[in-house]
Amino acid sequence: AQKITQTQPGMFVQEKEAVTLDCTYDTSDPSYGLFWYKQPSSGEMIFLIYQGSYDQQNATEGRYSLNFQKARKSANLVISASQLGDSAMYFCAMRVVAGTALIFGKGTTLSVSS
Amino acid sequence: GAVVSQHPSRVICKSGTSVKIECRSLDFQATTMFWYRQFPKQSLMLMATSNEGSKATYEQGVEKDKFLINHASLTLSTLTVTSAHPEDSSFYICSATPKGLGNSPLHFGNGTRLTVT
Repeated sequence: AQKITQTQPGMFVQEKEAVTLDCTYDTSDPSYGLFWYKQPSSGEMIFLIYQGSYDQQNATEGRYSLNFQKARKSANLVISASQLGDSAMYFCAMRVVAGTALIFGKGTTLSVSS
Repeated sequence: GAVVSQHPSRVICKSGTSVKIECRSLDFQATTMFWYRQFPKQSLMLMATSNEGSKATYEQGVEKDKFLINHASLTLSTLTVTSAHPEDSSFYICSATPKGLGNSPLHFGNGTRLTVT
């Protein structure tokens, strides 16, 4: 069975600082995709970044980067230069079979202060 | 980019009534759509997989007679909460992936906040 674990219920960071949100996963399938989503208090799910299990390089999207350590089965999200607007809940998710649903972790609430 | 529209965004209904939530893919075809449920400050839990032209596949513990899913076209799936009770109050959110792009991210609707009084 597949599982996503996010062990940080809440994280606090000051503006302009970098923050790492942890995510570990468990699957026996060699082919999988890892996703990070942001959910502001309004509820919409905003896709941030994707990492495929066979990708050689860590994914980056603007201020977001994914620290993919396959042997450790971790896929941590790094947000550089935090902004007040980054305050939200962040979910790590995984998909093993193309076209199927995502399995989500419990989420981490990020609070950015000025 | 791919857009998923969900309606209504908020609904308040009385106990015992039914509520229909629509999920539309606006600029792509979706053979499969997914319905999730989320309680406050918790994760998204998959309720069911909605397949165009066939019956939905429900996750264990989800009552198929209570949460009716219809996927009548490649762009529309509906979730009907029948005989709603206060414990059905939750945030319901649909998602879809463009047909043929199974590895692309799921695109989510903005969710429906259901309150049953």
